[in-house]
Amino acid sequence: DVKVTQSSRYLVKRTGEKVFLECVQDMDHENMFWYRQDPGLGLRLIYFSYDVKMKEKGDIPEGYSVSREKKERFSLILESASTNQTSMYLCASRTGGSGSGNTIYFGEGSWLTVV
Amino acid sequence: AQKVTQAQTEISVVEKEDVTLDCVYETRDTTYYLFWYKQPPSGELVFLIRRNSFDEQNEISGRYSWNFQKSTSSFNFTITASQVVDSAVYFCALSGNNAGNMLTFGGGTRLMVKP
Repeated sequence: DVKVTQSSRYLVKRTGEKVFLECVQDMDHENMFWYRQDPGLGLRLIYFSYDVKMKEKGDIPEGYSVSREKKERFSLILESASTNQTSMYLCASRTGGSGSGNTIYFGEGSWLTVV
Repeated sequence: AQKVTQAQTEISVVEKEDVTLDCVYETRDTTYYLFWYKQPPSGELVFLIRRNSFDEQNEISGRYSWNFQKSTSSFNFTITASQVVDSAVYFCALSGNNAGNMLTFGGGTRLMVKP
């Protein structure tokens, strides 16, 4: 079974703090993603990565950065957390190859509250 | 640009009722992929099904069935004889024809099955 693991399920951070959300997948997938989920808005893509050290902006990259130093790990960084970044964050991965038709597998999500 | 619309934000049924979740999509791609995911209260998105645009055959998996109609750009999901464990948020998603196209999600439908 594919396993996508997000290191923190629940976090509470203060405004202005630097926040790291870590994600690890165990299936040697080339592609990894970070989504944000908000009520009524569904899932919105923040950043994705095709491969190690590769990254591309998604639909809502402002206020976020990412790091992919190793194939299995994809980190989301909030340089200076703000209250409007309070949300549920979902990491995902998929194999490359034909790309868009391959199934994306998700982690359990990280609930971030910025106070 | 691609778009997925799930017009039903919330549905409530009584156990054993059948329920259909609607999904309408927009894309300019001739080849694309459609997905359904289930998100139980635990938060993790669970993959349910993937269809490609060339395969319009309806699919049945136990109590679940999917009706893909290209003519109306719809990919509806029916649960027969619903159970309390079916209570979750269900997301429909669309992915275009190349690796650069990411998964676009609908806003989700919250299904509540009451005993």
